[in-house]
Amino acid sequence: GQQVMQIPQYQHVQEGEDFTTYCNSSTTLSNIQWYKQRPGGHPVFLIQLVKSGEVKKQKRLTFQFGEAKKNSSLHITATQTTDVGTYFCAGPGRNAGGTSYGKLTFGQGTILTVHP
Amino acid sequence: NAGVTQTPKFQVLKTGQSMTLQCAQDMNHEYMSWYRQDPGMGLRLIHYSVGAGITDQGEVPNGYNVSRSTTEDFPLRLLSAAPSQTSVYFCASSYHKQQGRYGYTFGSGTRLTVV
Repeated sequence: GQQVMQIPQYQHVQEGEDFTTYCNSSTTLSNIQWYKQRPGGHPVFLIQLVKSGEVKKQKRLTFQFGEAKKNSSLHITATQTTDVGTYFCAGPGRNAGGTSYGKLTFGQGTILTVHP
Repeated sequence: NAGVTQTPKFQVLKTGQSMTLQCAQDMNHEYMSWYRQDPGMGLRLIHYSVGAGITDQGEVPNGYNVSRSTTEDFPLRLLSAAPSQTSVYFCASSYHKQQGRYGYTFGSGTRLTVV
């Protein structure tokens, strides 16, 4: 079945340093989503990328979708302590009928720690 | 709007007991899903639904049942609890027919311990 792999599993940075997490899928994705989960909280939707090569920015966060639509990245510039948490990518899964938008498969997540 | 409401927030079960985790959403979303989250394992899909009356299995369905009799509700039933089902359970919903496909909204979770 479809697998979504995320690296690294952990990242420790000093406040002000940049951070990047990478997401790779074993199959072509129709779209990819990114979520953030604060410690003790629930995942919160950040963004959805749909087009090949798409780049979107949210303040210090930059999201990219690869040309082949099999990989994606999230880059945070000048991290702050408020960026602490786990970042997940997720893509629609597949069933016997093909892509199932209701079947969202998550990567294992990257746990970001920011030291002040 | 309340979003996605999960109850209870915490539960302790004895091995072999059954229970139902409740999930309700008031956003008129078509898609609803149940995930479990264990340390180092990310979010694993248990069951999902793409509309009332339609459910399907995710990655880890064994030991769990679901039904979707209404658009709003998607309860998760543990048939005979086992210690391996100790986890945090999240319900999530997405997709409004008029608004299109966007990200999932998650409930605040149910922390389940099976002893």
